[in-house]
Amino acid sequence: KQEVTQIPAALSVPEGENLVLNCSFTDSAIYNLQWFRQDPGKGLTSLLLIQSSQREQTSGRLNASLDKSSGRSTLYIAASQPGDSATYLCAVGGGSYIPTFGRGTSLIVHP
Amino acid sequence: DAGVTQSPTHLIKTRGQQVTLRCSPKSGHDTVSWYQQALGQGPQFIFQYYEEEERQRGNFPDRFSGHQFPNYSSELNVNALLLGDSALYLCASGTGGSYEQYFGPGTRLTVT
Repeated sequence: KQEVTQIPAALSVPEGENLVLNCSFTDSAIYNLQWFRQDPGKGLTSLLLIQSSQREQTSGRLNASLDKSSGRSTLYIAASQPGDSATYLCAVGGGSYIPTFGRGTSLIVHP
Repeated sequence: DAGVTQSPTHLIKTRGQQVTLRCSPKSGHDTVSWYQQALGQGPQFIFQYYEEEERQRGNFPDRFSGHQFPNYSSELNVNALLLGDSALYLCASGTGGSYEQYFGPGTRLTVT
């Protein structure tokens, strides 16, 4: 059974810092890994999707990497802004079309 | 193009009652998945519908059932509500051959 762990559980940083959020998974036989953002009480917004054959994806200030062999992914946020405050969820997709989610990292960026 | 929509936004029910939640997928999508997200947790997969059939099911009791209509919209039904069913219920849509999913805003269910 796939298990996904996200570290840290919570993070509070001043505006402008570069951040790294971590996601680890126990079964390396994955099809993809997706990072989502969730604002309080809201749905999930997809940020980046990395296919198993890829090593990284970039979108604006966000960069996600994937190392299947070690069961790890990182989400790098450059020059953080207060508007980046949210919970960031990692979801690992296996062969059953069903993603397994981590519990998320709650990020607060203060001015 | 409207994304995934869900109704209602919020719902309050009493223990033992039954509830129906609704989801309309993004245009062009034919699969719908339902998730339960308890406070402080990641979403837990309930089931997925494709071509009006339940394709996959997570570890949820039979009190949780669903349906997909010919227009690909879907309903989630929960019978005999328990306090522990209080959660944010998320719907996600995609295409049958793709793993990428697009999520709706969710329905907040409170059971008292």
